[in-house]
Amino acid sequence: AQSVTQLGSHVSVSEGALVLLRCNYSSSVPPYLFWYVQYPNQGLQLLLKYTSAATLVKGINGFEAEFKKSETSFHLTKPSAHMSDAAEYFCAVSEGDSWGKLQFGAGTQVVVTP
Amino acid sequence: DAGVTQSPTHLIKTRGQQVTLRCSPKSGHDTVSWYQQALGQGPQFIFQYYEEEERQRGNFPDRFSGHQFPNYSSELNVNALLLGDSALYLCASSPGAVETQYFGPGTRLLVL
Repeated sequence: AQSVTQLGSHVSVSEGALVLLRCNYSSSVPPYLFWYVQYPNQGLQLLLKYTSAATLVKGINGFEAEFKKSETSFHLTKPSAHMSDAAEYFCAVSEGDSWGKLQFGAGTQVVVTP
Repeated sequence: DAGVTQSPTHLIKTRGQQVTLRCSPKSGHDTVSWYQQALGQGPQFIFQYYEEEERQRGNFPDRFSGHQFPNYSSELNVNALLLGDSALYLCASSPGAVETQYFGPGTRLLVL
């Protein structure tokens, strides 16, 4: 069975500082992993995805994530936060015979302070 | 190119009523998945439709049903509404059952 844990429901970062959002997964087989962002009153937008190719994945808006099998982690980072990065971020996993079923974490709300 | 569209944007119902939500996928996408997102939580998978059939289902009761039409659009039906059904309902489409899913803006349902 697959599951996702996002550490920290709220993260506050200063503008220009590093953004680090943590995601750990459990999966019995090599998974596909995703990060989505949700702005207020909107749907989810795909930031990036890992599908068993390169372990360092680059996404949109300067975000990247690294798949670490030994740590069962897929943490999301951005070197320099912008005010526009304020949103909720969700990590998701899919695997095996249920590839089309995304299992989401509880989300991390990011606040960016001037 | 229009993305995933959903209607209506907001809906208010009372307990016991029935509701139908609609979704049109991105051009070229033939698979539609539905998710329920309660306030403050991550989306929960309801079911996925491909080739007009339900292919996968999450842990939702039979009150939740769906349909996919030949043009790949989809409906989500919820019968005998409960207060706990209040949520944002998200539709996602993909060019195949195992491909990356792209989400619509959602329908916010409030059950009173």
